[in-house]
Amino acid sequence: GENVEQHPSTLSVQEGDSAVIKCTYSDSASNYFPWYKQELGKGPQLIIDIRSNVGEKKDQRIAVTLNKTAKHFSLHITETQPEDSAVYFCAASKGYSTLTFGKGTMLLVSP
Amino acid sequence: GAVVSQHPSRVICKSGTSVKIECRSLDFQATTMFWYRQFPKQSLMLMATSNEGSKATYEQGVEKDKFLINHASLTLSTLTVTSAHPEDSSFYICSASRSGGGYGYTFGSGTRLTVV
Repeated sequence: GENVEQHPSTLSVQEGDSAVIKCTYSDSASNYFPWYKQELGKGPQLIIDIRSNVGEKKDQRIAVTLNKTAKHFSLHITETQPEDSAVYFCAASKGYSTLTFGKGTMLLVSP
Repeated sequence: GAVVSQHPSRVICKSGTSVKIECRSLDFQATTMFWYRQFPKQSLMLMATSNEGSKATYEQGVEKDKFLINHASLTLSTLTVTSAHPEDSSFYICSASRSGGGYGYTFGSGTRLTVV
């Protein structure tokens, strides 16, 4: 089955800096890669996703890149703000099958 | 669009009792709903996948008689934790996939279950 590795487990940045979280996946047939933000005591919230026919996608301060050959994808957050502090999960799936999640990255943005 | 409502958000129950958690897709029809369990500082662990009108498919190691899942309509799935014990205390989260796919997965806000 699919295996998703996520790094780092914790990331501390200063407000205004950029943050990058990286994930690798094992199943070359996976074609959907979402990123979720989870705040304490809440369910995950989709922040951006990318499909395998696209190499990069951007939404304001958030971008995701995908390298199908290397089987890795990354989340980039620019101009970080304290409210970006949360746990971020990457995930992968094949078609509309179940998602396989990474272990999560706790992002701490200090003012 | 694509809102999933999960209730209750918190529940405390006595050991040996049963608890039902509801997951509703408010503005779309969900062919498939998923139930996850999350321990503190850990990732989401898939418990089961339910398709409307059919029996749920449970992941290995998940007791189907303890975690009863019903997906009777395209907008509602329920998870019942039967004869709950303190070790069942956890954060339970549902997600729903829109009929026909193509829109990803929307998560509920989660239910914190505490068994005392």
